[in-house]
Amino acid sequence: EIVMTQSPATLSVSPGERATLSCRASQSVSSNLAWYQQKPGQAPRLLIYGASTRATGIPARFSGSGSGTEFTLTISSLQSEDFAVYYCQHYNNWPPFTFGPGTKVDIK
Amino acid sequence: QVQLVESGGGLVKPGGSLRLSCAASGFTFSDYYMSWIRQAPGKGLEWVSYISSSGSTIYYADSVKGRFTISRDNAKNSLYLQMNSLRAEDTAVYYCARSLGGVLVSWGQGTLVTVSS
Repeated sequence: EIVMTQSPATLSVSPGERATLSCRASQSVSSNLAWYQQKPGQAPRLLIYGASTRATGIPARFSGSGSGTEFTLTISSLQSEDFAVYYCQHYNNWPPFTFGPGTKVDIK
Repeated sequence: QVQLVESGGGLVKPGGSLRLSCAASGFTFSDYYMSWIRQAPGKGLEWVSYISSSGSTIYYADSVKGRFTISRDNAKNSLYLQMNSLRAEDTAVYYCARSLGGVLVSWGQGTLVTVSS
């Protein structure tokens, strides 16, 4: 089973600043990596798939990069609605799909 | 507009059973693979099960294999999860999700399952 890790666990950022979130896979997942955003009391929402392709309706300030085992989600200028928990998930050689433990982005 | 609405959650005793449903609308249900994902209180996401568009291919997480059964009724645009031999560690919000390959493109709002005596 591929194990996903995320860092940092919590990221404190001021509105308007840039946020960089990391995700690592225990073995190569090629570009089969998705990012999800979850706000309190809500279901997760797909942000990025294929490591770098934004899902429908996702603002351009969200970008993904990486391949193999190292991935990054960047939020170029944090808006108030972006404070949330972000999960990465691989879908390479599934099942199982596995998620990272999440990074909480909170207000500095 | 894609809509996924889960139902059937509730309080059940250890060893008991529960059947979750997910009603889909706004897309051609029979064209899509579907998944169940759960989230224990205050914890992260855990994939539970996956079913192909026709129902011919099914996968389960090891943690639920032999106890949970996923199924679908394409005529009713509905997805199901039969959960037997429930344990305290199955307590979670259960989400259904529309899947494209392994990408979970749309999620329902979730239904809470609590396993407690």
